[in-house]
Amino acid sequence: AAGVIQSPRHLIKEKRETATLKCYPIPRHDTVYWYQQGPGQDPQFLISFYEKMQSDKGSIPDRFSAQQFSDYHSELNMSSLELGDSALYFCASSAGQDRAEKLFFGSGTQLSVL
Amino acid sequence: SQKIEQNSEALNIQEGKTATLTCNYTNYSPAYLQWYRQDPGRGPVFLLLIRENEKEKRKERLKVTFDTTLKQSLFHITASQPADSATYLCALGQPDTGRRALTFGSGTRLQVQP
Repeated sequence: AAGVIQSPRHLIKEKRETATLKCYPIPRHDTVYWYQQGPGQDPQFLISFYEKMQSDKGSIPDRFSAQQFSDYHSELNMSSLELGDSALYFCASSAGQDRAEKLFFGSGTQLSVL
Repeated sequence: SQKIEQNSEALNIQEGKTATLTCNYTNYSPAYLQWYRQDPGRGPVFLLLIRENEKEKRKERLKVTFDTTLKQSLFHITASQPADSATYLCALGQPDTGRRALTFGSGTRLQVQP
């Protein structure tokens, strides 16, 4: 079965650089979520999109932006990178209008800011 | 303030025993609670969902309880195996707030010794 695909798997950047993370949700899933997870930390919700519109905003810094495209893939754009942005970034997708939605996560992008 | 608390210390048990993990929450009114398994460097994988009007759910060797009075969920793995070693995250869903994203606890690391 198709899963959530994230790219790249690993990314190394320097301070003040920009990064773009990509996410391809499971086919026919209408909602995409982005989470950030630091070492030993819980996944922190950043932002979500439903049917290509931003549906919710969590603790996403102003330096970050995201969008969902017509083919439902999503990109997280990160600018002016800081050392503290080093983390695992997960994308998850879900389907349907079920109020109890389980999330399907990708394998994540490990971002290291040097 | 809102908190989701899971045992921060690792839980070590012998193979064949039952593992019991705890999730306590404060200042949330979740409509449902989910449990996920996370292996190092990988995305969380959905295990079980229990709704606010349910007391207990089972799936194979897994059992979860949900006590909205105590604001607590217990997650049990019976006949544990070394392959069950992972971090287990609880996550709350509050769709009535308009938020479809889940809020995660920081997880409990389970180590099953052969």
